[in-house]
Amino acid sequence: GAGVSQSPSNKVTEKGKDVELRCDPISGHTALYWYRQSLGQGLEFLIYFQGNSAPDKSGLPSDRFSAERTGGSVSTLTIQRTQQEDSAVYLCASSLVGGGNQPQHFGDGTRLSIL
Amino acid sequence: GENVEQHPSTLSVQEGDSAVIKCTYSDSASNYFPWYKQELGKRPQLIIDIRSNVGEKKDQRIAVTLNKTAKHFSLHITETQPEDSAVYFCAPTESSNTGKLIFGQGTTLQVKP
Repeated sequence: GAGVSQSPSNKVTEKGKDVELRCDPISGHTALYWYRQSLGQGLEFLIYFQGNSAPDKSGLPSDRFSAERTGGSVSTLTIQRTQQEDSAVYLCASSLVGGGNQPQHFGDGTRLSIL
Repeated sequence: GENVEQHPSTLSVQEGDSAVIKCTYSDSASNYFPWYKQELGKRPQLIIDIRSNVGEKKDQRIAVTLNKTAKHFSLHITETQPEDSAVYFCAPTESSNTGKLIFGQGTTLQVKP
């Protein structure tokens, strides 16, 4: 596609429910990143994929968070047993390759609200 | 890990004036230094970046300067316009070879007409 696509754009759910967030990167981009932006804050790194592998998961806040990537393309971020502190905008970015000096292009994000 | 600080946190200028935002980082092995612009409710948009083998880069009204010895880089916007009003983030990469960006806390720029 022309840009990074994320769905849903908004998600409201009750505390304790599981949620799945989807990211479709720019076609041909092998590196994919998930970040989280809490209200009025900067962006916080969550996880990095190179192809289908995740060599860096160091930003995942707890074991309730997991992510996968299939076919070197679409990625899903899953949050189990959601808590109110999980409320944030979850942003996905992709770059041509990983490794530290490639531009990352962001999607519009999923705004997650936990009631 | 990388520690990033950005100053000022807010900046108000008159249309036509220049704006400068500074970012300091701690990881001497960082090698990529982008600046993002984020308008309210929108995605972060890459506006300019610089790599560690270059000291300065310019794109029309926007420039970035890098001082690797002092571990800081700055965003310069000249002839500011109201549409430049947004939050600006610096985001140097951590030297882990993953490319993950470590974001500053952001600078809210307001350009008054």
